[in-house]
Amino acid sequence: DAGITQSPRYKITETGRQVTLMCHQTWSHSYMFWYRQDLGHGLRLIYYSAAADITDKGEVPDGYVVSRSKTENFPLTLESATRSQTSVYFCASRGSPSTDTQYFGPGTRLTVL
Amino acid sequence: QKEVEQDPGPLSVPEGAIVSLNCTYSNSAFQYFMWYRQYSRKGPELLMYTYSSGNKEDGRFTAQVDKSSKYISLFIRDSQPSDSATYLCATASGGSYIPTFGRGTSLIVHP
Repeated sequence: DAGITQSPRYKITETGRQVTLMCHQTWSHSYMFWYRQDLGHGLRLIYYSAAADITDKGEVPDGYVVSRSKTENFPLTLESATRSQTSVYFCASRGSPSTDTQYFGPGTRLTVL
Repeated sequence: QKEVEQDPGPLSVPEGAIVSLNCTYSNSAFQYFMWYRQYSRKGPELLMYTYSSGNKEDGRFTAQVDKSSKYISLFIRDSQPSDSATYLCATASGGSYIPTFGRGTSLIVHP
């Protein structure tokens, strides 16, 4: 299917475990983003990537790791999950910086017990 | 203080009403202004995109930017129950083009 997909859609894990959230887009967009959305905070940028092998920190990067070996994939890893990382995570992609729309995936709802 | 401020609501209006949603921002470098609509348990989708000051109209939706007062608005005419969603404003500078989002305003249009 064309578009941007995220997996899993729902995940429950325990404190201290490693969790990886997957993001895949079929448009060959250069830019990809990870956001978390929490009540009272709105959407906050965790990491973004301008191209394969180029990543940069956003507003709230602590506790997260990203990689981008292929243009279409942008996984987000929580190395040692904490309760404060319970959130809804959205992946997004965009083509050219100034003109293209930013498309969001359906989100992953993560609960850390 | 967040760079983009938005009243979370909820804003409840009757069907057919004109809705006004607003945001303020603090960074004068912002040149790009966006409104996203997010239905419950879905990802945000771009609704309106404007560059610099002025108005932009698309069907029942009008986006307005006043850079002098750092104020952005979204007007919805003849509101419908299907417009019930959270509306997020976002701004970006010409350097990064990476949007900074407001917290979102929850809109409820009741029949």
